[in-house]
Amino acid sequence: ETGVTQTPRHLVMGMTNKKSLKCEQHLGHNAMYWYKQSAKKPLELMFVYSLEERVENNSVPSRFSPECPNSSHLFLHLHTLQPEDSALYLCASSPRTGTNYGYTFGSGTRLTVV
Amino acid sequence: DQQVKQNSPSLSVQEGRISILNCDYTNSMFDYFLWYKKYPAEGPTFLISISSIKDKNEDGRFTVFLNKSAKHLSLHIVPSQPGDSAVYFCAASAGSGGGADGLTFGKGTHLIIQP
Repeated sequence: ETGVTQTPRHLVMGMTNKKSLKCEQHLGHNAMYWYKQSAKKPLELMFVYSLEERVENNSVPSRFSPECPNSSHLFLHLHTLQPEDSALYLCASSPRTGTNYGYTFGSGTRLTVV
Repeated sequence: DQQVKQNSPSLSVQEGRISILNCDYTNSMFDYFLWYKKYPAEGPTFLISISSIKDKNEDGRFTVFLNKSAKHLSLHIVPSQPGDSAVYFCAASAGSGGGADGLTFGKGTHLIIQP
């Protein structure tokens, strides 16, 4: 257990479904991140939140909608996804933004869109 | 275009020998570099990092070397142990000390330690 918990671990959803990924950290960190890892591709940064405010959105399609209700929780709401969105979605946190502070990653949610 | 490249998808090394994992980058603004290790079904875990003001950082069996002129870094593991078998990701950032820049990752190298 790394201190960052992601649920569910696996998710299969149809293209018309709406689902949400959840991330929770109790490390006292102020920054949280969503990353996507597709097969044979590098980890791709999707969203950055600092003190519950979104500070980065790397041109992610609107079918992915993040939510950060407080500094301990981060959600990724999914709707009308495409099969190519199937990937491992990783949540991470750090004491603050800026990379002199190591990220703590969760174990990820393996998403399959059918 | 990939800014962080790990050109070896996999590497096989005998137990007890040295493992050398390589990483190249193209963005000259990168000033902080990290290595992460990932086991199957787990998220990446931080291993070691280096700032661009240094050319070497050592932590136990792990040493990272940075060659800024060549835009190249490498991770040395010596001696290699079976528990080192994992996927190793190289990551870089242009925003040390602050900024919501996130990390740019390579595709990873799967290190296999053979007994």
